[in-house]
Amino acid sequence: RKEVEQDPGPFNVPEGATVAFNCTYSNSASQSFFWYRQDCRKEPKLLMSVYSSGNEDGRFTAQLNRASQYISLLIRDSKLSDSATYLCVVTPDYKLSFGAGTTVTVRA
Amino acid sequence: DAEITQSPRHKITETGRQVTLACHQTWNHNNMFWYRQDLGHGLRLIHYSYGVHDTNKGEVSDGYSVSRSNTEDLPLTLESAASSQTSVYFCASSGTGLAGKNTGELFFGEGSRLTVL
Repeated sequence: RKEVEQDPGPFNVPEGATVAFNCTYSNSASQSFFWYRQDCRKEPKLLMSVYSSGNEDGRFTAQLNRASQYISLLIRDSKLSDSATYLCVVTPDYKLSFGAGTTVTVRA
Repeated sequence: DAEITQSPRHKITETGRQVTLACHQTWNHNNMFWYRQDLGHGLRLIHYSYGVHDTNKGEVSDGYSVSRSNTEDLPLTLESAASSQTSVYFCASSGTGLAGKNTGELFFGEGSRLTVL
C-alpha cells in the first residue's frame, strides 16, 4: 500500500463551482500534513499546511481526519487560475511523502 | 532573493554514460532532497541530506548517488544512465524548525528533464 494515495481525477468543474477531494495516508504516526500545488511542467509549491482543527486560506479549506487517516481540500468559487494538480504531502518522519496528485481543471 | 537552481534544465544522454545534475540553493537550508517525477507515480524521493557530509537513501536510490560537501550544493550523479532513469528530476531544500524537525515547506528548483536514449 502506498504511503499516500489520492484520486487522480481529473475533476472538471465550471468557474464558480466548489470542488473537494481527499487524500488518504497509511502511517498513523504521521504528524504534519500539507497541500502543494503544481502547475503543468512546473515545480510544486506549498499551498497550505493542514492543521488538526482545520484551516482556511481564502477560498481554500483544508481538513484533517486522524481517525480515518485522510486529509481533504475544498476549493470554493473556483477560478480558471485554480487549474492545477494538487499534491497531498504527509510527514511520517523527517521526510515528506507525496501523493501522485489530483488534477483539477476549471472551465469558463 | 534566495533561490534554488538546477542545471542543466534539459539533457539528453546515452545509456551507460555518467550524468550529474547540479542543485544549488542560497537559502542556507540544512535539508536538501532529490526527487524524480514520473506519470502515475508522483514525486519519489531519491536521496536526501540533513547537512554537510550527511547523505541518505530514499525509496528509489538504486543507480544514483549524491554528495554534500557544503551547505549550498547537492549534486545528483547517475553512475551509468539507464532508459528507466528518463524522468523529470526536482531538487528541493527546506529549513529546520522547532526541535530540529523539517519545517515541511519545501522550496523546489525548476526541474531537470533527463532523457536517456
